[in-house]
Amino acid sequence: AQKVTQAQTEISVVEKEDVTLDCVYETRDTTYYLFWYKQPPSGELVFLIRRNSFDEQNEISGRYSWNFQKSTSSFNFTITASQVVDSAVYFCALSESNNNDMRFGAGTRLTVKP
Amino acid sequence: DTAVSQTPKYLVTQMGNDKSIKCEQNLGHDTMYWYKQDSKKFLKIMFSYNNKELIINETVPNRFSPKSPDKAHLNLHINSLELGDSAVYFCASSQVHSFKAETQYFGPGTRLLVL
Repeated sequence: AQKVTQAQTEISVVEKEDVTLDCVYETRDTTYYLFWYKQPPSGELVFLIRRNSFDEQNEISGRYSWNFQKSTSSFNFTITASQVVDSAVYFCALSESNNNDMRFGAGTRLTVKP
Repeated sequence: DTAVSQTPKYLVTQMGNDKSIKCEQNLGHDTMYWYKQDSKKFLKIMFSYNNKELIINETVPNRFSPKSPDKAHLNLHINSLELGDSAVYFCASSQVHSFKAETQYFGPGTRLLVL
């Protein structure tokens, strides 16, 4: 069974601080895909990144970066120099290659204070 | 233009009523999905359709019935609404039914409140 754990329910930081959102996953499959989505207060779900299990290269996109480590089954997300507009709920999700399903973590609510 | 749209955005109704939520995507995608997000923000897939054919049908009450008149539309009909159906329902689409590799694009959500 696949499982995604986002242990941090809520995080609060002050603007310009760096913050890391943790995601730990469980899967028996060797081929799988990991995702991060952002859900701002307006409620929509915004795709941020997709990573497959064979690509452990970390990725940076502006102030966002992702650290994928298969050894610890983690796919953590870091926001550098956080801004108020980063306030949202962030979801990590996992999809295995042998089933047509995507499992979301419980989400981490990030609040960035000015 | 909105890529994935849902109507209505808000739906307040009484227990026992029947209601429908509509979803349309103009991305030319083959696959569409319905997700339910409960009050604790937990997102769970309900259904997926690939080219009008039902692919995923998770364990949801049979009061929920998806209907896909064409691959650009996937509507969700709910019979005999119950209090526990109150949630946000998200529609999504992806290019092929292999969203393991393809990005899913989500609609804005429909906030259903059953009184």
